[in-house]
Amino acid sequence: DIQMTQSPSSLSASVGDRVTITCRASQDISIYLAWFQQKPGKAPKSLIFAASTLQSGVPSKFSGSGSGTDFTLTISSLQPEDFATYYCQQYNGYPWTFGQGTKVEIK
Amino acid sequence: QVQLQESGPGLVKPSETLSLTCAVSGYSISSDYYWGWIRQPPGEGLEWIGSIYHNGNTYYNSSLKSRVTISLDTSRNQFSLKLGSMTAADTAFYYCARHSYYYDSSGPKAGYFHHWGQGTLVIVSS
Repeated sequence: DIQMTQSPSSLSASVGDRVTITCRASQDISIYLAWFQQKPGKAPKSLIFAASTLQSGVPSKFSGSGSGTDFTLTISSLQPEDFATYYCQQYNGYPWTFGQGTKVEIK
Repeated sequence: QVQLQESGPGLVKPSETLSLTCAVSGYSISSDYYWGWIRQPPGEGLEWIGSIYHNGNTYYNSSLKSRVTISLDTSRNQFSLKLGSMTAADTAFYYCARHSYYYDSSGPKAGYFHHWGQGTLVIVSS
């Protein structure tokens, strides 16, 4: 199985900060990586797929990059509504696996 | 726009079998796509349970495979999850979802979990 490792597990940031979250795959997954945002009590919401393609309706402050084994999610200017937990998911093949999550908290 | 809605018991006794249903609207599950189940223990991360293709082919997480059955009910446009021998460790939010599609050199593949239900909390307790 492909293991997905996110870092950090949590971070504290202020409104307006630039935030970067990293996801590393245990083997080459090409660009088959998605990012999700999850707020308390809600289902995950897809933000980015194919490593860098923004989902329709997702603001451009979110961006993704990477290929192979190393990927990043960047939020260019953190806003109050962005405080949430973020997950990566690889879909290079079955079994589909998620990172352990990164919780973005208010400093 | 496809919509998914989970339903089932909120409380299950240890050793019993959990049965959940995902009702789909806005798309016929027999037409195409992979349909999956994911769970999340309170305060923890996401775990894929299993998925089913529109033709009935199933794919299960190896850690749960001996206890899981996923099936389609095309007449009701829904798919179901059965998880046997429940323990407290199975207490979680259970989500149904539809995979996206992508194409590589070998043909169409199941992609990321694009559309999600709102989730349902299942507690295992006597």
